[in-house]
Amino acid sequence: DTGVSQNPRHKITKRGQNVTFRCDPISEHNRLYWYRQTLGQGPEFLTYFQNEAQLEKSRLLSDRFSAERPKGSFSTLEIQRTEQGDSAMYLCASSLRVSDALHFGNGTRLTVT
Amino acid sequence: AQSVTQPDIHITVSEGASLELRCNYSYGATPYLFWYVQSPGQGLQLLLKYFSGDTLVQGIKGFEAEFKRSQSSFNLRKPSVHWSDAAEYFCAVTNNAGNMLTFGGGTRLMVKP
Repeated sequence: DTGVSQNPRHKITKRGQNVTFRCDPISEHNRLYWYRQTLGQGPEFLTYFQNEAQLEKSRLLSDRFSAERPKGSFSTLEIQRTEQGDSAMYLCASSLRVSDALHFGNGTRLTVT
Repeated sequence: AQSVTQPDIHITVSEGASLELRCNYSYGATPYLFWYVQSPGQGLQLLLKYFSGDTLVQGIKGFEAEFKRSQSSFNLRKPSVHWSDAAEYFCAVTNNAGNMLTFGGGTRLMVKP
């Protein structure tokens, strides 16, 4: 168990640019989740994959956001035309079964200037 | 819709003192409940979880939590706090499908020497 890996750890971008984050879940985990956490708040659910299928999306996930998990392994989260309000920590988590707790990565901190 | 309230934003305790962090949830059916801890700049680590059965659950690092259905609460306790326990603590709830974890706003714990 090497844990959930997220890259990059930090990303600074200018408003209007596109950014992409990567998440590598624990290898045997078929469920993958993306959350967003702003300063002083708890994480908020963005989207969820079971294998390669994106099964649930939050209304927080505007049309500027897209997530993929093409082969049911790693996942990417892309934000197009970034806005200052997108500045947050983006957390990825994975689990094997419904009844399992989520294993979180250390997150990618996005700063939009 | 499910929701979680952590009434205390900040708590300061002396090292060696006991600790109780409050968590109240709103959920129609039997919830799955979790406590996570987050150190600065890090992801979330699971402390303990409740799915069913014994309402007093033991977790890592000497933490325990008690599920009280009548009070819709899942408070976290530790009999003797260590300086290394200083962190942010999040309570979370999900349904039995496990698709979406809803977090509370967190309680920041500070430990005085």
